[in-house]
Amino acid sequence: GAGVSQSPSNKVTEKGKDVELRCDPISGHTALYWYRQSLGQGLEFLIYFQGNSAPDKSGLPSDRFSAERTGGSVSTLTIQRTQQEDSAVYLCASSLVLLVGDTQYFGPGTRLTVL
Amino acid sequence: GNSVTQMEGPVTLSEEAFLTINCTYTATGYPSLFWYVQYPGEGLQLLLKATKADDKGSNKGFEATYRKETTSFHLEKGSVQVSDSAVYFCALSDFAGNNRKLIWGLGTSLAVNP
Repeated sequence: GAGVSQSPSNKVTEKGKDVELRCDPISGHTALYWYRQSLGQGLEFLIYFQGNSAPDKSGLPSDRFSAERTGGSVSTLTIQRTQQEDSAVYLCASSLVLLVGDTQYFGPGTRLTVL
Repeated sequence: GNSVTQMEGPVTLSEEAFLTINCTYTATGYPSLFWYVQYPGEGLQLLLKATKADDKGSNKGFEATYRKETTSFHLEKGSVQVSDSAVYFCALSDFAGNNRKLIWGLGTSLAVNP
């Protein structure tokens, strides 16, 4: 079946502009996650959704970052007033929610470059 | 807090060599442990997982055993192939409270030469 999809695959923007990144999870997966993969820094958790609510926003690096999820499906990550340090690959994942051992399935990512 | 420490790369091996990538963790409670792989130009894929102590995860000839006494989850393969060249990430699931995030190691790059 269809996996996690993300769009755009690449985004180049100028410093100070706003960007929106989209994630379409696997159908039926109630949990959705955003991570950031920066060169030399590994993967960094940003936010987790269960349904449309976000019980854990602890990873959002600043108030310029926000995310929403509507209809328990598609999610949008918005970065306002982008800075060069926001350049990274933004990864979305989804999973069923089990008592233990949920497997998170990842999309291909959006490579964001802030000039 | 919870953390994952992974051996640094890059690791370069000849085809058919034995592979070990070390991973140790710090966690409260009983996390699940994962190895993900990222092939060149592709997204992250689950390679294997283990959900409780002494479990062995295996896939594509790779194995890792969840060792609670040594807080380790080392990845092994008896005979690597060129097609195994990729970046390997060790991760643990943090399910404390409302958290359901993965905590990641920094990744280990593996290059296998013919």
